[in-house]
Amino acid sequence: EDQVTQSPEALRLQEGESSSLNCSYTVSGLRGLFWYRQDPGKGPEFLFTLYSAGEEKEKERLKATLTKKESFLHITAPKPEDSATYLCAVQANFGNEKLTFGTGTRLTIIP
Amino acid sequence: GAVVSQHPSRVICKSGTSVKIECRSLDFQATTMFWYRQFPKQSLMLMATSNEGSKATYEQGVEKDKFLINHASLTLSTLTVTSAHPEDSSFYICSAIPGQASYEQYFGPGTRLTVT
Repeated sequence: EDQVTQSPEALRLQEGESSSLNCSYTVSGLRGLFWYRQDPGKGPEFLFTLYSAGEEKEKERLKATLTKKESFLHITAPKPEDSATYLCAVQANFGNEKLTFGTGTRLTIIP
Repeated sequence: GAVVSQHPSRVICKSGTSVKIECRSLDFQATTMFWYRQFPKQSLMLMATSNEGSKATYEQGVEKDKFLINHASLTLSTLTVTSAHPEDSSFYICSAIPGQASYEQYFGPGTRLTVT
């Protein structure tokens, strides 16, 4: 069974204080690993897809990296508007395109 | 691009009644859409995969007779919660994949269902 574990559960940072969020996964053949941002009461917003170990993608203050066992979402010099829950999900090679989600990291950036 | 809408955004219904939630892909066609449920401070749990022109595929433990899914066109899927009960109160979110060469799912804004 595919599993995704995210840590920490919650993270409070001062504005400008860089950090990383972790996503550990087990999957029977990884097709893709996805990062989403979710604001309270809204649907997830797509951020990145990573397909193979060693791959990196960047968007503004966010950078996602992937190894064979985990992914990191690095946030550099965050701003209060980066406060949200960040969700990680995996998609297996076999079967349909279903996503298995982790429980997320609730990030709060303090001005 | 890749915009998904849901309607309604919030709905309150009485126990025992049915409620329909619509999910539309606004700028692309989606042969496959997904329905998720999210309880407070929990992650998204896949309920079913909706395929245009065929029966939906339900995840283990999801009652197909209670959560009716219809994917009548390439831009519309509906979820009907039949005989709703308070324990069905949740945040329902749909998603769709915009292209054949992409596996990225784009999500709707969600529907908050409250059953009284």
